[in-house]
Amino acid sequence: DIQMTQSPSTLSASVGDRVTLTCRASQNISSWLAWHQQKPGKAPKLLIYKASSLDSGVPSRFSGSGSGTEFTLTISSLQPDDFATYYCQQYDTSPWTFGQGTKVEIK
Amino acid sequence: QLQLQESGPGLVKPSETLSLTCSVSGEPISSGTYYWGWIRQSPGKGLEWIGSVYYSEYTYYNPSLKSRVTISVDTSKNQFSLKLTSVTAADTAVYYCVSQTSGVVDNWGRGTLVTVSS
Repeated sequence: DIQMTQSPSTLSASVGDRVTLTCRASQNISSWLAWHQQKPGKAPKLLIYKASSLDSGVPSRFSGSGSGTEFTLTISSLQPDDFATYYCQQYDTSPWTFGQGTKVEIK
Repeated sequence: QLQLQESGPGLVKPSETLSLTCSVSGEPISSGTYYWGWIRQSPGKGLEWIGSVYYSEYTYYNPSLKSRVTISVDTSKNQFSLKLTSVTAADTAVYYCVSQTSGVVDNWGRGTLVTVSS
C-alpha cells in the first residue's frame, strides 16, 4: 500500500495567516492526490483533486501544488471557518489511502 | 445535488456481521457516473477505504478486509450496502458511504458510528 505522511500533525495559526500543510507519498503518485477538510463531528469534504484543482464552491484562498511524492495545501489567509483537520488522499494505486491528518487550530 | 445517507445498527456483537445501507438521492445509482464506496474512520487507524462498487457488478476491496467484505447494489431502491463479517472491537468506527470519481472521494455521507461490543 502507498503510505501517506502529513506534517505537521498540528498547526497553530491566527486568522489572516498564510499556512502551508505538507503531504508526502511513499512512492510516485503523479498528480493523483486529493485534499479533504473535516470539522469536528462532521464528514470530510473534498477541497482539491488532481493535486491543484479546486472542487466546486471551494474558496480561492485554498490552493494545492506538487507532484510525484511531495504535495502542499496552502490557505492564503486563514479564516475562522478554516479551523479543521485536513487529510490528503492518494488515488494513484488501489487501495486508496489517506494521510493521518493535520489539525489546524487557533493560536 | 447528490446526497448519501447511511443506515443500520449502531451496535454489533463480536463475531457477528455488520450490515449497513446507503441511500442515494440525486443520481441513479446505475448511471455509471460514480463508483459507490465505503470508508471508515477510527481513532486508531484513521481513514480507511473499505471498498467500492461500479455498475452493480464490478467490486473492488481493500486487500486488508477483502476476505470479510461484500458490497452490493439494489438499483430498485437506489441503495448500496456493506456487509462485514466476523467483526471484532477493531472494527468499531464511524462508517461513511461515499461516491468516487476515478478514485477521488467526491461526496461523503454524514457517517454512522458502529460499535462492536457484547
